[in-house]
Amino acid sequence: AQKVTQAQTEISVVEKEDVTLDCVYETRDTTYYLFWYKQPPSGELVFLIRRNSFDEQNEISGRYSWNFQKSTSSFNFTITASQVVDSAVYFCALSGRSGNTPLVFGKGTRLSVIA
Amino acid sequence: KAGVTQTPRYLIKTRGQQVTLSCSPISGHRSVSWYQQTPGQGLQFLFEYFSETQRNKGNFPGRFSGRQFSNSRSEMNVSTLELGDSALYLCASSAGLAQETQYFGPGTRLLVL
Repeated sequence: AQKVTQAQTEISVVEKEDVTLDCVYETRDTTYYLFWYKQPPSGELVFLIRRNSFDEQNEISGRYSWNFQKSTSSFNFTITASQVVDSAVYFCALSGRSGNTPLVFGKGTRLSVIA
Repeated sequence: KAGVTQTPRYLIKTRGQQVTLSCSPISGHRSVSWYQQTPGQGLQFLFEYFSETQRNKGNFPGRFSGRQFSNSRSEMNVSTLELGDSALYLCASSAGLAQETQYFGPGTRLLVL
């Protein structure tokens, strides 16, 4: 069975601080896909990034960066110089290779950035 | 391209009633998935439709059903509503081929009284 664990339920930081959101996953698939989504108060899940299991290259997009490590089954997300607009719930998700398997989500991490 | 749209955005029903939610995917997307989000259970997969056929189904009772039309628009129906069905229902669309990224709509917030 597939499982995603986001151990941090809530994080509160002061604006301009860096923050890392942790994600640990479990799967028996050798090919799988990892995602991060952001959910602002409006409720819509906003897609941030997708990673294939065979691509461990880290990625940076503006203030966002992702660290994918298969050895530790982790896919962590770092926001550099956080801003108030980053306040949201962030979800890590996993899907397998078989067919078009559904997303399995972690419980989410609520990030509050205080001005 | 316009994003995924869901109607209605908010809904209040009473126990025992039934409800139908609608989802219009991104133009060109053929797969529509439905998820239920509650504070206790988090985000859970309901079902996925591709080319008018249910391709995947989550672990929900038969009161939850769905369908997809030839234009890829999808509806989900919940019959005999229970208090526990109060949730945010999110629809996601993808191209449906291989393992494509799912893009989500704004959701329908259902409150059952």
